Amino acid sequence: GAGVSQSPRYKVTKRGQDVALRCDPISGHVSLYWYRQALGQGPEFLTYFNYEAQQDKSGLPNDRFSAERPEGSISTLTIQRTEQRDSAMYRCASSLLGLAGLSTDTQYFGPGTRLTVL
Amino acid sequence: AQSVSQHNHHVILSEAASLELGCNYSYGGTVNLFWYVQYPGQHLQLLLKYFSGDPLVKGIKGFEAEFIKSKFSFNLRKPSVQWSDTAEYFCAVSRNQAGTALIFGKGTTLSVSS
Repeated sequence: GAGVSQSPRYKVTKRGQDVALRCDPISGHVSLYWYRQALGQGPEFLTYFNYEAQQDKSGLPNDRFSAERPEGSISTLTIQRTEQRDSAMYRCASSLLGLAGLSTDTQYFGPGTRLTVL
Repeated sequence: AQSVSQHNHHVILSEAASLELGCNYSYGGTVNLFWYVQYPGQHLQLLLKYFSGDPLVKGIKGFEAEFIKSKFSFNLRKPSVQWSDTAEYFCAVSRNQAGTALIFGKGTTLSVSS
């Protein structure tokens, strides 16, 4: 596939359950970003990976949220003990270059995962 | 902290009308500027970007944007909209540094009637 893919596209879960959202970046892309978009808002940054290293997690709202990218490719965003306020569109983006690259890199977005917590 | 403000939440136009969507950002340093578009049922796509050089940038589908540094603005324009331009438009900014996150505005929904 040429683009960023995310799965599942839709996830409905009950409050208190754990969920794992997957992102498969464009092949060869070094940087990977997670964003969260609430209804009526723009995407908000959650975390950033350079290869497998989580370089910035300043946007994660609390310790129920975690992310990993163990082999520098596919990434998983995990939300533990979900709450209704976690309902949102979760977006993943990748870009070709990493921290050692140019500052003019472009982020390419996947289709997103719509999470609904009941 | 950086922030992005989009002035219009919802814009309604007839086909062939001209479009201008406002975007202002707050950040004192060098920035990269973007407009992304999300068509109904599709994912966010890059419309155009500004990194440096000519402040008037041209993107896909006839869109253009002008960076006015003194006004901290990056407004999106199109001389004549089409029904297919109906979408949500997001302005975004990032620091001119590798590996930095995008800061998005809240978005503007454009509805074009045929």
